[in-house]
Amino acid sequence: SSVLTQPPSVSVAPGQTARIPCGGNKIGDKSVHWYQQKPGQAPVLVVYDENDRPSGIPERFSGSKSGNTATLTIGRVEVGDEADYYCQVWDTSSEHFYVFGTGTTVTVL
Amino acid sequence: QVQLVQSGAEVTKPGSSVKVSCKASGGTLRSYTFSWVRQAPGHGLEWMGRIIPIFDAANYAQNFQGRVTISADESTNTVYMELTSLRSEDTAVYYCARGLVTTSRFDNWGQGTLVTVSS
Repeated sequence: SSVLTQPPSVSVAPGQTARIPCGGNKIGDKSVHWYQQKPGQAPVLVVYDENDRPSGIPERFSGSKSGNTATLTIGRVEVGDEADYYCQVWDTSSEHFYVFGTGTTVTVL
Repeated sequence: QVQLVQSGAEVTKPGSSVKVSCKASGGTLRSYTFSWVRQAPGHGLEWMGRIIPIFDAANYAQNFQGRVTISADESTNTVYMELTSLRSEDTAVYYCARGLVTTSRFDNWGQGTLVTVSS
């Protein structure tokens, strides 16, 4: 079954770049999506299919994938980007069709 | 713009059941999948199951099999999630999430419903 591993936390100064990795078995052959969740709010899709953005999401949010690791990159980080971020794939071989990463808290210093 | 509006918070006792609703305003249920995702306090997101109304088909995560039922009422554009045999570990915020049948992502989320299981 799929397990998607993310670092628990990432800290970044305003204006700098934050990179959040998501590692998993066979992630290379799956579409990876990313969600932002601010405290007390529902998740919001910020990147889908590795590197596409829904309308309204700033270009500062981008994604990439190499081997079994996908990465969400947030450029020119703002205080408002402080949130938890989750990666997600679809894996019918898993006991959960939809598998979420363990989540990463981004702190803007 | 489609909005998913969920029912209000629930406080229930161990061993009981809870049924949470999710009404899709501004669109129909057709062409979409509706999943339920829960988040225990201080924890991450966990997928519970989904329904595809156009096929009237539901799939459930293995660890919820037998305890969860997801249904849809197309006449009211509402999706339901019922969880039975509740225990304290089921205390969580429950979200409905919508995606296209042809994709594997969740484009829209409900606001969440807090279910508290306590004696």
